[in-house]
Amino acid sequence: GNSVTQMEGPVTLSEEAFLTINCTYTATGYPSLFWYVQYPGEGLQLLLKATKADDKGSNKGFEATYRKETTSFHLEKGSVQVSDSAVYFCALRTGGGNKLTFGTGTQLKVEL
Amino acid sequence: DGGITQSPKYLFRKEGQNVTLSCEQNLNHDAMYWYRQDPGQGLRLIYYSQIVNDFQKGDIAEGYSVSREKKESFPLTVTSAQKNPTAFYLCASTQGTAGNTEAFFGQGTRLTVV
Repeated sequence: GNSVTQMEGPVTLSEEAFLTINCTYTATGYPSLFWYVQYPGEGLQLLLKATKADDKGSNKGFEATYRKETTSFHLEKGSVQVSDSAVYFCALRTGGGNKLTFGTGTQLKVEL
Repeated sequence: DGGITQSPKYLFRKEGQNVTLSCEQNLNHDAMYWYRQDPGQGLRLIYYSQIVNDFQKGDIAEGYSVSREKKESFPLTVTSAQKNPTAFYLCASTQGTAGNTEAFFGQGTRLTVV
């Protein structure tokens, strides 16, 4: 079956620090990969996605590259802000699939 | 603006009661989903529906029921058979079932058993 593993949090960084949140996956077929962000008390919002190997998804300064050889989709941002504090979920979906498979989420706290 | 609306935002239930969580979307999406979120466990799929009048169990369907009588509505009932219903419930929808389609989420309903 499909599964997603992401690093446990919380991750605490100072503003303007570099962020990496690791995500690896196991999937049958060729999945599409997603990062979702959840702000306190809210639902999930799509942050970025990549649908095939070597694709790079990017949005709001965040990036992630679909690495088939290492089955990874690590999230990066060069300079985080306090407003980036949230929970980040890595997820995958396979072709014809009916559901997203989520990781357990990584809480990010950015301090001044 | 198009989107998904969940109501209520907060819900309190006495033990032994059934409660129904509402989910409405005006995105004209075919597929709809219910997820449960617990601390440290990510999101787990309860039920999903690809078309009207059809739905399938997800990974943790026991103690829950759904209906899909209209394309835009997918209510979830938490029955008294659900042993630990306190959680954050999220409804989502997608345009289709292809792997690369994005899921849109509602703001969630926090259910607490009192």
